[in-house]
Amino acid sequence: AQTVTQSQPEMSVQEAETVTLSCTYDTSESDYYLFWYKQPPSRQMILVIRQEAYKQQNATENRFSVNFQKAAKSFSLKISDSQLGDAAMYFCAYRSGDNNDMRFGAGTRLTVKP
Amino acid sequence: DADVTQTPRNRITKTGKRIMLECSQTKGHDRMYWYRQDPGLGLRLIYYSFDVKDINKGEISDGYSVSRQAQAKFSLSLESAIPNQTALYFCATQGEYLNQPQHFGDGTRLSIL
Repeated sequence: AQTVTQSQPEMSVQEAETVTLSCTYDTSESDYYLFWYKQPPSRQMILVIRQEAYKQQNATENRFSVNFQKAAKSFSLKISDSQLGDAAMYFCAYRSGDNNDMRFGAGTRLTVKP
Repeated sequence: DADVTQTPRNRITKTGKRIMLECSQTKGHDRMYWYRQDPGLGLRLIYYSFDVKDINKGEISDGYSVSRQAQAKFSLSLESAIPNQTALYFCATQGEYLNQPQHFGDGTRLSIL
């Protein structure tokens, strides 16, 4: 089964600075989808960004961008110009292109310092 | 109104009790899911359903059962709750295509004493 690893249980960033959250995954598949979700203290799960494995171009959504390295099986999230509202737990998720199997990492708790 | 609604939001109960967590959605999605979230483990899939007649076990289905009463409703039951089922439970829906994200409810925090 595919596994998703987030090696940073906690990260901290100064407001207005840039931070990168790491995610690696293990798969033998060539077709899959990757997601980053944000979980603020309100505990909602909010989609931040997604990436299709067949696309070479890295996805970008405003201040959020990814560095997708397919050969290295790495999918990191970069948050630019960090804001206090970015403080949350961030989950990386992998979905197989063949079935419904969706796997989440253990999460990274991001703190933003004013 | 929320697209995916979970009830109750919080629940405290005792070991051995039967518990039902409910989920309803207005997104018109056929696919629905139940996850549990534990600290340090992320979200793990309990059950999922692609339509009313299609129910599938996920990674950690033991001790749980589900019912898909209608396209819009998907409930999760703990027949005899035990303390290690204390967790945050999420319901999610998804559209037809795998590149679409899942849409989550606000979660049910369940504590079993």
